[in-house]
Amino acid sequence: AQSVTQLGSHVSVSEGALVLLRCNYSSSVPPYLFWYVQYPNQGLQLLLKYTTGATLVKGINGFEAEFKKSETSFHLTKPSAHMSDAAEYFCARSSNTGKLIFGQGTTLQVKP
Amino acid sequence: DGGITQSPKYLFRKEGQNVTLSCEQNLNHDAMYWYRQDPGQGLRLIYYSQIVNDFQKGDIAEGYSVSREKKESFPLTVTSAQKNPTAFYLCASIATGAHTEAFFGQGTRLTVV
Repeated sequence: AQSVTQLGSHVSVSEGALVLLRCNYSSSVPPYLFWYVQYPNQGLQLLLKYTTGATLVKGINGFEAEFKKSETSFHLTKPSAHMSDAAEYFCARSSNTGKLIFGQGTTLQVKP
Repeated sequence: DGGITQSPKYLFRKEGQNVTLSCEQNLNHDAMYWYRQDPGQGLRLIYYSQIVNDFQKGDIAEGYSVSREKKESFPLTVTSAQKNPTAFYLCASIATGAHTEAFFGQGTRLTVV
């Protein structure tokens, strides 16, 4: 089955520290992969996406993600967390039916 | 500007009432989706439509109904058969092509009173 697993429903970091949010996907064929961010009571906003080509993808707000086929992973990172990064983050993948399949989400807390 | 508009942002429903959530997009996207979001449960797919006048059930369609009479519009009705409708509802649209991302509305928070 096609699925997305986000390891850790809550991640807490200090302001200025590295942010690492983990995402693994299951598939025999590399899918297209996405990271979204959601602020409270708002819709989801695309951070970045991987389709083909360069495996290190840069997104908005200083985030980036690396597609690793051998590890079936697409982890999201940011070198230095900012208070405004506190939000919920969703990893998603394409499917052969055209739907997007979402992970369960990871809530990022940034401590001053 | 192109985008997806959901209305209303907040909605209150009495027990036994049907309510309809609006979703309109001007992105010329073929596919539209409705998700339900509850704390700690991520996004769960209710219904989706990949073409006008056609739609499919998602993972949690019971107690919900939709229509797709126009490409731009995909309203969701929460019926009285939905036993626990209090949630945050998100509408999304996707252009044709597997590598395209979903665009989301700002959501509707439905509360049963």
